[in-house]
Amino acid sequence: QSALTQPPSVSGSPGQSVTISCTGTSSDVGSYNRVSWYQQPPGTAPKLMVYEVSNRPSGVPDRFSGSKSGNTASLTISGLQAEDEGDYYCSSYTSSATFVFGGGTRLTVL
Amino acid sequence: QVQLVESGGGVVQPGRSLRLSCVTSGFDFATYAMHWVRQAPGKGLEWVAVMWYDGSHEFYAESVQGRFTISRDNSKNTVWLQMNSLRAEDTALYYCARGRDPYRSSSIYYWGQGTLVTVSS
Repeated sequence: QSALTQPPSVSGSPGQSVTISCTGTSSDVGSYNRVSWYQQPPGTAPKLMVYEVSNRPSGVPDRFSGSKSGNTASLTISGLQAEDEGDYYCSSYTSSATFVFGGGTRLTVL
Repeated sequence: QVQLVESGGGVVQPGRSLRLSCVTSGFDFATYAMHWVRQAPGKGLEWVAVMWYDGSHEFYAESVQGRFTISRDNSKNTVWLQMNSLRAEDTALYYCARGRDPYRSSSIYYWGQGTLVTVSS
């Protein structure tokens, strides 16, 4: 039940696009579409940004989009804004009926 | 609105036990799976446990399997996490969380504000 693999950090300038990858295995990301992405600003609880690979909850801007190919899921944030800064985590359902998170990616808006 | 309020955290010695509570409101508790997720200071999120909406199934992270027990009472809209044989590495902010969809083990949508557990002698 190893954590999903995310890059420790990504950065971009306002208006640019960034993509955060999340690599798992055939026992989690590769086998299920229950991949989610969470945003966590410092000192706050996580917020669901994308669920089931590419769906956005009500209220989440369409600048946030998700996709998946094989064992790797991705979150793309287009038109970067200063308020997008924070930590981002992916999560997946697993073949053991458990869930697993990625190690987290710190997004810096330059 | 949906509210999840955790309590029960504190400082505890290694090897001892602690029980966390999460009282919920604003939704039909009996139809949603409930999770516990933790976050060690300065670290990432770690999923801990889930219990199905009807209490029929429970699943745990390997790191807590055999030491932690999740339970719920649908008549009290409450979920608990019993933590035994605590270790220093269990020190974390423990979040109670609710799945997005009823009747299935779906993505976590709502989160509480967390309760801090510190394991130290």
